[in-house]
Amino acid sequence: NAGVTQTPKFRILKIGQSMTLQCTQDMNHNYMYWYRQDPGMGLKLIYYSVGAGITDKGEVPNGYNVSRSTTEDFPLRLELAAPSQTSVYFCASSSGTSGTILLRGQYFGPGTRLTVT
Amino acid sequence: DQQVKQNSPSLSVQEGRISILNCDYTNSMFDYFLWYKKYPAEGPTFLISISSIKDKNEDGRFTVFLNKSAKHLSLHIVPSQPGDSAVYFCAARAISSGSARQLTFGSGTQLTVLP
Repeated sequence: NAGVTQTPKFRILKIGQSMTLQCTQDMNHNYMYWYRQDPGMGLKLIYYSVGAGITDKGEVPNGYNVSRSTTEDFPLRLELAAPSQTSVYFCASSSGTSGTILLRGQYFGPGTRLTVT
Repeated sequence: DQQVKQNSPSLSVQEGRISILNCDYTNSMFDYFLWYKKYPAEGPTFLISISSIKDKNEDGRFTVFLNKSAKHLSLHIVPSQPGDSAVYFCAARAISSGSARQLTFGSGTQLTVLP
């Protein structure tokens, strides 16, 4: 299993540009998440999905959009990039019931480092 | 408003000794706590968790202690090994969230184990 893969690893955007961060998992997990981590801060949840076709907002959704058309893929879209979106973005997945999630945690991808200038 | 705080940004420990990483929280609705480990250029990996109905959970060299009255938890690593050098994140789940989707993370502590 490749686990959770994210592309690209690094990206520099100009203000106002758009881009999509890709995330794919091959573990057949129903839950998927997008987090951002700013320097010196913890991870903050942007959006999450409990299955194909179902998404919901997390703590910091403004400026982002997501879709979940398949179990495997959960892309994150930035429509009008702003300097405040400079961060490291992590995609994660987890399976089963909340009990399983709490006992085994979430599986994270390696992250995408995004700079908006 | 940081509900989960890791007040020590860094910690250095000699190989073979005990590493103690601390985490404080403010939300009394947190019912589950998790620790993650993160190496550079990788995503966090799950390490160990504890339910609020317990005060201790052990897994090999890793033990997590929970003090609910003090709203404090700690991760003990014994003995510490150079491969344990990483950033450690504490995370918590509020029972009102209904599932694990809303985890609140601390800012992390960089552990360096010196050979």
